[in-house]
Amino acid sequence: ELKVEQNPLFLSMQEGKNYTIYCNYSTTSDRLYWYRQDPGKSLESLFVLLSNGAVKQEGRLMASLDTKARLSTLHITAAVHDLSATYFCAVDPPFEAGNNRKLIWGLGTSLAVNP
Amino acid sequence: DVKVTQSSRYLVKRTGEKVFLECVQDMDHENMFWYRQDPGLGLRLIYFSYDVKMKEKGDIPEGYSVSREKKERFSLILESASTNQTSMYLCASSPRPYFSNQPQHFGDGTRLSIL
Repeated sequence: ELKVEQNPLFLSMQEGKNYTIYCNYSTTSDRLYWYRQDPGKSLESLFVLLSNGAVKQEGRLMASLDTKARLSTLHITAAVHDLSATYFCAVDPPFEAGNNRKLIWGLGTSLAVNP
Repeated sequence: DVKVTQSSRYLVKRTGEKVFLECVQDMDHENMFWYRQDPGLGLRLIYFSYDVKMKEKGDIPEGYSVSREKKERFSLILESASTNQTSMYLCASSPRPYFSNQPQHFGDGTRLSIL
């Protein structure tokens, strides 16, 4: 069974600090997605990572994918309050699993950036 | 930009009522999904459709049914609403081909309360 584990699930950090959120998954996949969800709102796609070694950056967020280790990281640089949100990673099952594109989701990391 | 529109942001219904949640997408996506989101439980897939009139059960289909009569529209039906179906409901769509590489795109969500 394909599982996706995120850690930490809750993260409280100070403005200006750096931190990393981890997303581990249990089977072969070379496609991983990061989403952001603001309180009371829906999910917004942040990054699409499509191959081993992929790295994407947007502002203070940088995501990377290591398919051999089955690990993706979301690194936050010099955090600001506006980054407070819940961050989800999701994995596309491998093509051999049925080509249905039902994503497997982590539980989300609730990030609070404090002044 | 992909637009996924859910018919209601907030809905209040009574126990035993039949409830319809509607979702429309404008990008000609084959796949459409209904999730529910509850605190601490992440996103759970209720039903998935990969084509008109085609559907597959997700992880928690009990108490729900779906309808997809047109490609752009995917409806979630609570046959006889119960209080444990109070939740945030999220609709998403994506292309079906495995190598399309697009993420799922989400609507704004419907916060449903069953009294």
